[in-house]
Amino acid sequence: EIVLTQSPGTLSLSPGERATLSCRASQSVSSSYLAWYQQKPGQAPRLLIYGASSRATGIPDRFSGSGSGTDFTLTISRLEPEDFAVYYCQQYGSSPPITFGPGTKVDIK
Amino acid sequence: EVQLVESGGGLVQPGGSLRLSCAASGFTFSSYEMNWVRQAPGKGLEWVSYISSSGSTIYYADSVKGRFTISRDNAKNSLYLQMNSLRAEDTAVYYCARGRSTKRSLNWFDPWGQGTLVTVSS
Repeated sequence: EIVLTQSPGTLSLSPGERATLSCRASQSVSSSYLAWYQQKPGQAPRLLIYGASSRATGIPDRFSGSGSGTDFTLTISRLEPEDFAVYYCQQYGSSPPITFGPGTKVDIK
Repeated sequence: EVQLVESGGGLVQPGGSLRLSCAASGFTFSSYEMNWVRQAPGKGLEWVSYISSSGSTIYYADSVKGRFTISRDNAKNSLYLQMNSLRAEDTAVYYCARGRSTKRSLNWFDPWGQGTLVTVSS
């Protein structure tokens, strides 16, 4: 089973600042099969990024994903008020189980 | 508009059973893989189960294997999760999620339903 670790646990930033979120895998994630989700309180998760770097439909270009192997990054170039939320990474390799990271909370400084 | 609507959650005693449903609309349900993902109160996301578009391939997380059964009815555009021998640790919001994939991968999830809360308690 691939275990995902996200850091930091909480990121305190101001609107307009750049956010850099890390997701590290316990073993290489095949073909960059990694996705990122945003979840706001009381809401279902929303897909942001798949294939490590492909933005989902309707996602603003301030969100970008990068990385390969065991190290992946989600970057929010300039935080908007609606971006304060919890972010999860997920790997979806060729064999189950599908696993998620524990999440990074981005809150207002 | 693509929509997934879960139902069937509620309060159940330990050892009891519950059947969750997910009604899909706005897309060709029979062409998509589907999944259940859960989230315990205040906790992170945990994948529970996967079913292929035809229903011929099914996977479960170890934590639910032997107790939960995923199924689908493509004629009714519906996904199900039969949950037996429920435990306190199964308490969570259960989401159904449409699977997207490449030829050799499992799924990323888009979109998700709004979730249904299952509480296992005496």
